[in-house]
Amino acid sequence: DTGVSQDPRHKITKRGQNVTFRCDPISEHNRLYWYRQTLGQGPEFLTYFQNEAQLEKSRLLSDRFSAERPKGSFSTLEIQRTEQGDSAMYLCASSMYREGEKLFFGSGTQLSVL
Amino acid sequence: SQQGEEDPQALSIQEGENATMNCSYKTSINNLQWYRQNSGRGLVHLILIRSNEREKHSGRLRVTLDTSKKSSSLLITASRAADTASYFCATRSNDYKLSFGAGTTVTVRA
Repeated sequence: DTGVSQDPRHKITKRGQNVTFRCDPISEHNRLYWYRQTLGQGPEFLTYFQNEAQLEKSRLLSDRFSAERPKGSFSTLEIQRTEQGDSAMYLCASSMYREGEKLFFGSGTQLSVL
Repeated sequence: SQQGEEDPQALSIQEGENATMNCSYKTSINNLQWYRQNSGRGLVHLILIRSNEREKHSGRLRVTLDTSKKSSSLLITASRAADTASYFCATRSNDYKLSFGAGTTVTVRA
């Protein structure tokens, strides 16, 4: 169990640029989640995958956001035409369906949009 | 929107004292979980209590759940400096989605 890893840890970008984040879940976990967290707030649900299928997207996830999980392994979250309001910590978590209850989180990607 | 709300927002205690924080939520749940987050890091699962349970213990942690009041409390006994962190309650109302509150920031003074 090597834990959930996220890359990069920090990303600074200019408004209007595209960014992509990667998440590698715990290998045997079939569920993967993306959350967004701003300073002083709890994580907000963005989207969820079971294996390679994206089963729910929050209305927080505008058309500029897209997430994929090819082959049910790692996942990517892309933000196109970034805005200053996108600045946040993006957290990835995974879980095993049968245990299904608790989430294992990565350390997050801190995005700053200038 | 966030399902749970923690109270207080911040808590400062002396090492060795107990820390209590509360969580209220809005809709019916399958279970309620507590997570800890150290500054700039991801969240770590602490304890889970199911909707048909009233109290649960894990080491120095004690969690209670009152579904009639839609509330839960987390007690950390004999606090240590390493307990300094933000604590979040999270509720599961369907098969997969966890909804988090805004958290309680706990500072343990040496």
